[in-house]
Amino acid sequence: DAKTTQPPSMDCAEGRAANLPCNHSTISGNEYVYWYRQIHSQGPQYIIHGLKNNETNEMASLIITEDRKSSTLILPHATLRDTAVYYCIVRAASNDYKLSFGAGTTVTVRA
Amino acid sequence: NAGVTQTPKFRILKIGQSMTLQCAQDMNHNYMYWYRQDPGMGLKLIYYSVGAGITDKGEVPNGYNVSRSTTEDFPLRLELAAPSQTSVYFCASRSTGAHEQYFGPGTRLTVT
Repeated sequence: DAKTTQPPSMDCAEGRAANLPCNHSTISGNEYVYWYRQIHSQGPQYIIHGLKNNETNEMASLIITEDRKSSTLILPHATLRDTAVYYCIVRAASNDYKLSFGAGTTVTVRA
Repeated sequence: NAGVTQTPKFRILKIGQSMTLQCAQDMNHNYMYWYRQDPGMGLKLIYYSVGAGITDKGEVPNGYNVSRSTTEDFPLRLELAAPSQTSVYFCASRSTGAHEQYFGPGTRLTVT
């Protein structure tokens, strides 16, 4: 599975968009990009995933570069409840969807 | 739906004791997973199951055992607890063909 690199932390102002980068320069053609988040002491929560195209759901948008070597998770209007650790994970769907979590990015949304 | 439930929420064990962490899901998911999370770290996969009667090792299986006799339940067994097993344990489930894993609230285990 491709290795991912995320900044260890970032701050965001409440009501503003939060843009979370992820580098996955060794990604293979059959590997998906997944984003999960973990609010303090809770179980991780799925946010979004994508293969090649940009994706959007009710929680966030995922922008994947054309060469697929990096991606950005966008929280369009961050709230205090979005404060969490965000994990970018790259995984092939054929691998029983086993997830490998790195250290993630600690996002703090400030009022 | 209750989703994924885990019991107990907290447990303190003495070295050498054994216990079973319970995990149940009511979504009829075939896939179930056990992860552990050490302080300040990401989650690591212990064991997983692709259906009743089928289990396989993950990244860190040593010191643990699992069984999957029903679709709903996926218990994790610690036979001889060691301080290195102090961690938060999360169970997750996934529907066949779906990408999303649903996680339980976790069990915080301390071994002293």
